[in-house]
Amino acid sequence: DTAVSQTPKYLVTQMGNDKSIKCEQNLGHDTMYWYKQDSKKFLKIMFSYNNKELIINETVPNRFSPKSPDKAHLNLHINSLELGDSAVYFCASSPRAVRQETQYFGPGTRLLVL
Amino acid sequence: GESVGLHLPTLSVQEGDNSIINCAYSNSASDYFIWYKQESGKGPQFIIDIRSNMDKRQGQRVTVLLNKTVKHLSLQIAATQPGDSAVYFCAENRGNNRLAFGKGNQVVVIP
Repeated sequence: DTAVSQTPKYLVTQMGNDKSIKCEQNLGHDTMYWYKQDSKKFLKIMFSYNNKELIINETVPNRFSPKSPDKAHLNLHINSLELGDSAVYFCASSPRAVRQETQYFGPGTRLLVL
Repeated sequence: GESVGLHLPTLSVQEGDNSIINCAYSNSASDYFIWYKQESGKGPQFIIDIRSNMDKRQGQRVTVLLNKTVKHLSLQIAATQPGDSAVYFCAENRGNNRLAFGKGNQVVVIP
């Protein structure tokens, strides 16, 4: 199936741990994104990579570090997890990083920090 | 589930009726807008988009209206079906494909 996929779907961990979430798209898109959706369903962009190069970096704690090994993958590593990091994290992709391009979202990773 | 205790603006609509969901955006320079549908436990799914040089666009059972004067967007769903029950988000593209999402609206279809 052509899609944006994320692993894991659920992640439960203790405060202070380090964890990674992986994202892959097989749509042939150049641009990938990470979004955070909080408990009120508010969706906010965190990062965007275009062809492995960082182009958007919103005001996100530097405990969050995205890594793009190639343009089909964008992983998110989180150090020293905090309770407030609990949220659903969505990966998305678009053909290019231009103004009028639709973004396609993955199924989400539900992170719970205890 | 994920929505326990969550209070989103909610539209309850009888199956077969039309639904209208409204959205106000903030940036007058935004020139591309998208409506997404998010079902419980899933990621946002593209429904329809509209560029700022248009004021109306129709898809299958959905119509998006754009009023740039008052920075307002609406999504109309014709003959609402149970499968339309979801949270709906509008998003404005602010450049570099940076999407700013509005507050979601919950649609509940009553059979």
